[in-house]
Amino acid sequence: AQSVTQPDIHITVSEGASLELRCNYSYGATPYLFWYVQSPGQGLQLLLKYFSGDTLVQGIKGFEAEFKRSQSSFNLRKPSVHWSDAAEYFCVVGAWAQKLVFGQGTRLTINP
Amino acid sequence: GAGVSQSPSNKVTEKGKDVELRCDPISGHTALYWYRQSLGQGLEFLIYFQGNSAPDKSGLPSDRFSAERTGGSVSTLTIQRTQQEDSAVYLCASSLDGTSAIGEQYFGPGTRLTVT
Repeated sequence: AQSVTQPDIHITVSEGASLELRCNYSYGATPYLFWYVQSPGQGLQLLLKYFSGDTLVQGIKGFEAEFKRSQSSFNLRKPSVHWSDAAEYFCVVGAWAQKLVFGQGTRLTINP
Repeated sequence: GAGVSQSPSNKVTEKGKDVELRCDPISGHTALYWYRQSLGQGLEFLIYFQGNSAPDKSGLPSDRFSAERTGGSVSTLTIQRTQQEDSAVYLCASSLDGTSAIGEQYFGPGTRLTVT
């Protein structure tokens, strides 16, 4: 069965600092991988996605993620965070019949 | 353009009552999905529609839950005889085409259901 693990439930970083959110997945075939963000009171928004090809994918809001098959990882990075990045981040694997399997989420807090 | 809309945004109901949650997908999107987000279970898949058909109902937690989609557009999720554990945010998403490679799903703002 497909599964996604986000080891960090809550991360706090200072504004302007770099960010890396970890994600490990379990999937039998080539995975479809996504990162979604959920801001307080907002719906889920797609940050980026990986289907195939270049393992470093660029997303919106300055985010990027790197697919590493050997480590079954798809970590999300940003060189310099802004206060508006405070939100909950979900790593997601696309499974059979197009259903998405979500990780438990990582809540990001930004210190001024 | 208009995104996915859901109604009501909030619903408070008494235990044992039935509730209907509505989802209007993005115009032209053939695939529609329901998810549930709760504190204990995180975000979980409930059901998926391609057109008016539901090839995958595996996520529905019990036979009290049902969903339908008519005209390839609006969908209704019905929960009968609600229980307190049904309290959650119910999210709807749509995508352009659910039959081939997994496409981007666009999420609505959700319906927060509270069962008292």
